[in-house]
Amino acid sequence: NAGVTQTPKFQVLKTGQSMTLQCAQDMNHNSMYWYRQDPGMGLRLIYYSASEGTTDKGEVPNGYNVSRLNKREFSLRLESAAPSQTSVYFCASRLNRVWSNQPQHFGDGTRLSIL
Amino acid sequence: KNEVEQSPQNLTAQEGEFITINCSYSVGISALHWLQQHPGGGIVSLFMLSSGKKKHGRLIATINIQEKHSSLHITASHPRDSAVYICAAPNTGNQFYFGTGTSLTVIP
Repeated sequence: NAGVTQTPKFQVLKTGQSMTLQCAQDMNHNSMYWYRQDPGMGLRLIYYSASEGTTDKGEVPNGYNVSRLNKREFSLRLESAAPSQTSVYFCASRLNRVWSNQPQHFGDGTRLSIL
Repeated sequence: KNEVEQSPQNLTAQEGEFITINCSYSVGISALHWLQQHPGGGIVSLFMLSSGKKKHGRLIATINIQEKHSSLHITASHPRDSAVYICAAPNTGNQFYFGTGTSLTVIP
């Protein structure tokens, strides 16, 4: 069972470069999320997609864009990377927002460094 | 203001000790989630609970909805339990409030 798959696992960028983080889930989940995790700050929501065709901003959306390509895939794009975006990025999915007792399933994370 | 507060932030224990991690939340929820993250690893869901107590192996989670408080207990702790434990509360929309995590180190 693949679950939630993120690529790449590691990436080093120079300031100003762009890149796209990929996320795919094979659990037929409706909702997908992108988080960043920084020391001492916990997980913070960047963007989420409640269902295919919809996306919404989270707590820290500035400097990022997302695409919900289809039900399986949700990508995160950094158009012009900045050192403040150095972080660990996690993608997660969830079956349906109606039932709040559904767990989130997380990918293994992408460790991104911006020089 | 943090909607979800965890304590302690860091915890070191000797192998075999009984461990308690606490989580307090200020929002109304129908279920609270406990997550585990091993060093350098991904995040897995341990428990979802809306009342009472749940047990999985040596891990026990309890919740008091009236007091808005949950605890995660580990009995007979082992070095492989070393991880960050995170509590999370879903809001009325489609998002979660996360605690900042408790970093647990179990020494052999």
